[in-house]
Amino acid sequence: DGGITQSPKYLFRKEGQNVTLSCEQNLNHDAMYWYRQDPGQGLRLIYYSQIVNDFQKGDIAEGYSVSREKKESFPLTVTSAQKNPTAFYLCASSTQVAYEQYFGPGTRLTVT
Amino acid sequence: AQSVTQPDIHITVSEGASLELRCNYSYGATPYLFWYVQSPGQGLQLLLKYFSGDTLVQGIKGFEAEFKRSQSSFNLRKPSVHWSDAAEYFCAVGDEAAGNKLTFGGGTRVLVKP
Repeated sequence: DGGITQSPKYLFRKEGQNVTLSCEQNLNHDAMYWYRQDPGQGLRLIYYSQIVNDFQKGDIAEGYSVSREKKESFPLTVTSAQKNPTAFYLCASSTQVAYEQYFGPGTRLTVT
Repeated sequence: AQSVTQPDIHITVSEGASLELRCNYSYGATPYLFWYVQSPGQGLQLLLKYFSGDTLVQGIKGFEAEFKRSQSSFNLRKPSVHWSDAAEYFCAVGDEAAGNKLTFGGGTRVLVKP
């Protein structure tokens, strides 16, 4: 069954700790994306990658980092530099030629 | 800069009534247009998309949307709402200049009254 998996669904961390969110896809998509969702603000793009070993900053990249060592995987690290990390994080993927994105179930991160 | 506006933050509709969600965009080029739906605590599911051709597009779950270039709009409609349609709906826009990137509207939350 093809799709995008994100783990864990809920994540709790203490302030000052880095945390890595997992995103894996078996759709054979080249492009992958990370979004942050806050109530009433829609989706904001954090980072995206159109090909392995390459990625670009989105609109709100500060305090986040990513890697793209494998086509299937695009982990997101929320660093201690991110001032307000508590949010719902969504991973998505798409082919290079079609523009619709397919989304994972999301990870809710709570930092206290 | 590209922008997408969903003017209605919340809409309440009675079950069986019709639903229309508004989406306006500001784009220089010919846009690609999408509607997504999100249930609470879940990811987004693609309802329908418009790339070119017929300006009235049909999607899943009985939804349709109409692209009106003159009004820069891509409104989503459903003739008869079911209780299971209660969710948040997002309009998204992309174009070739932006590559694969999409710009999302702020979303419209739909509540369905019995």
